[in-house]
Amino acid sequence: GQNIDQPTEMTATEGAIVQINCTYQTSGFNGLFWYQQHAGEAPTFLSYNVLDGLEEKGRFSSFLSRSKGYSYLLLKELQMKDSASYLCAVRGGGGGSQGNLIFGKGTKLSVKP
Amino acid sequence: DAGITQSPRHKVTETGTPVTLRCHQTENHRYMYWYRQDPGHGLRLIHYSYGVKDTDKGEVSDGYSVSRSKTEDFLLTLESATSSQTSVYFCARGRVDYEQYFGPGTRLTVT
Repeated sequence: GQNIDQPTEMTATEGAIVQINCTYQTSGFNGLFWYQQHAGEAPTFLSYNVLDGLEEKGRFSSFLSRSKGYSYLLLKELQMKDSASYLCAVRGGGGGSQGNLIFGKGTKLSVKP
Repeated sequence: DAGITQSPRHKVTETGTPVTLRCHQTENHRYMYWYRQDPGHGLRLIHYSYGVKDTDKGEVSDGYSVSRSKTEDFLLTLESATSSQTSVYFCARGRVDYEQYFGPGTRLTVT
């Protein structure tokens, strides 16, 4: 079967660093995506990894290890506005429906003053 | 603005009635998707389209149908709404191998 796991909730302090982990087991692999979703709003794209290693984009970084089926999203210098759910999604391999995104259930991050 | 809109944004309907949700994109993307999002389940794919009149089922397609007569429009129909279809519905657009962009969502309540 196909499965994506990430913690349900996390809490961190303003100004700190937080790491949100994601592990996956899917039929094939053609990229991993991270989305941010504020309460009551649409998911917005944060990052994309298809090769092993770290991708950095401002305060946000995403890491991928394909051999371990593992990714993390690193948020630095946390701000109150970073309080949101973070969704991990994997694109399966192959064409047709196998190329569609499979989403984890999301990690709700609360940033405290 | 992600170049994608949905209508209506909120709808309350009764069990057994048909409902159609509309999605419109302005980016001429080939791929469009319909998801539902429920607490404890995350985003789940209902149907997707890879071109005009080309559609296929996703993970949770039972009770739903779709149509795409123009590149920019993708319709989701609940033939006979049930309470289990109470959810938030998101439409998305994208190109193959790239990220998807989501519409603002439709909150549907079936009473």
